[in-house]
Amino acid sequence: QQQVKQSPQSLIVQKGGISIINCAYENTAFDYFPWYQQFPGKGPALLIAIRPDVSEKKEGRFTISFNKSAKQFSLHIMDSQPGDSATYFCAAPGSARQLTFGSGTQLTVLP
Amino acid sequence: DAGVTQSPTHLIKTRGQQVTLRCSPKSGHDTVSWYQQALGQGPQFIFQYYEEEERQRGNFPDRFSGHQYPNYSSELNVNALLLGDSALYLCASSPAGTVGGGANVLTFGAGSRLTVL
Repeated sequence: QQQVKQSPQSLIVQKGGISIINCAYENTAFDYFPWYQQFPGKGPALLIAIRPDVSEKKEGRFTISFNKSAKQFSLHIMDSQPGDSATYFCAAPGSARQLTFGSGTQLTVLP
Repeated sequence: DAGVTQSPTHLIKTRGQQVTLRCSPKSGHDTVSWYQQALGQGPQFIFQYYEEEERQRGNFPDRFSGHQYPNYSSELNVNALLLGDSALYLCASSPAGTVGGGANVLTFGAGSRLTVL
């Protein structure tokens, strides 16, 4: 059964700064490793996802770094904005397309 | 293009009662998964339905059951409600596809907030 450990639990960053969230997983699976963003009262929304045969993927201000040998991946948010304030979840694939989620990181970007 | 729609958005039940939650998947998606999200926690996988059958199940008791209809919509039923069942119940859909093809990239609904008193 897949286990996912996410850190930090909460993160406060100044506007324009870099936010970094880390995740570690246990079982290797060849499918996408996604990050989701969740605002209060909303369901999680896909932010960015990476295949395990790629070491880095960048979309705008968001970058995933993937270290397959260490079974770790991280989300970097460059030039963080107050609108990025939300809870972020990493997830790792299990069997039959189900995802195991991390416990979440509450990001606050100060204006 | 409507995404995943869930109903009801909020509901309150008492211990021992039964509840049914409903989900319509995103257009073009045929696989529906249900997740339970307790306050301050990440979503936990309950089960997944494909071709009207339960294909995969997480670590949830038999009090949790589901159904998928031919139009791909789905229901989650919870019997004999406990206080600990209070949570946000999320439905997620995904398109058919092979492992490695991004098929695990889920589209979530806004959820149904269940409070058990």
